[in-house]
Amino acid sequence: AQKITQTQPGMFVQEKEAVTLDCTYDTSDQSYGLFWYKQPSSGEMIFLIYQGSYDEQNATEGRYSLNFQKARKSANLVISASQLGDSAMYFCAMREGPSNDYKLSFGAGTTVTVRA
Amino acid sequence: KAGVTQTPRYLIKTRGQQVTLSCSPISGHRSVSWYQQTPGQGLQFLFEYFSETQRNKGNFPGRFSGRQFSNSRSEMNVSTLELGDSALYLCASSGTASKMTGELFFGEGSRLTVL
Repeated sequence: AQKITQTQPGMFVQEKEAVTLDCTYDTSDQSYGLFWYKQPSSGEMIFLIYQGSYDEQNATEGRYSLNFQKARKSANLVISASQLGDSAMYFCAMREGPSNDYKLSFGAGTTVTVRA
Repeated sequence: KAGVTQTPRYLIKTRGQQVTLSCSPISGHRSVSWYQQTPGQGLQFLFEYFSETQRNKGNFPGRFSGRQFSNSRSEMNVSTLELGDSALYLCASSGTASKMTGELFFGEGSRLTVL
């Protein structure tokens, strides 16, 4: 079974608008971490935001926020005020177990295209 | 602070050959992980090294191997290349600063084409 599911292969968003990228996960661990990474065409994976399973508040990092719904096992990424430079592939990922276990499971990704 | 450096960035090999990819982590990081990215399979974990020891291994055949040196630099090797090994190979490092989150810092990858 897929550990991370991203159901949106591609999305278009108008510049300055907000966009929500969906991510659901599957784990039986009580301790886990959820990540979002951005991959521009250059190939480098850029860390955006992190949410721990025990964090009670939704994580925010600048224009990025993570809508964490633990009971639904979802961790959606919200990008506010989209910019042309936000056009990239976005990956949701999960780390199961302790924080010193650096093995991540990634979703298939969502391609975001920002229109001027 | 220099990021994760991977070399070479691009390479072309033929079936049956072997290839070695190199990764220099961020200074002070002792963990190095490798991932394979293909259009069909997405991002898949290969292995992770910490202080020269392999701590974790993904579900890849024995043709894929790696090692880590005392300066934390890592290499991965793929022997007897197959067409399906064509992929972007990403290296990631992590250190004590990211201990609470397990955040990985990725390089730009080595794009391997097997003909």
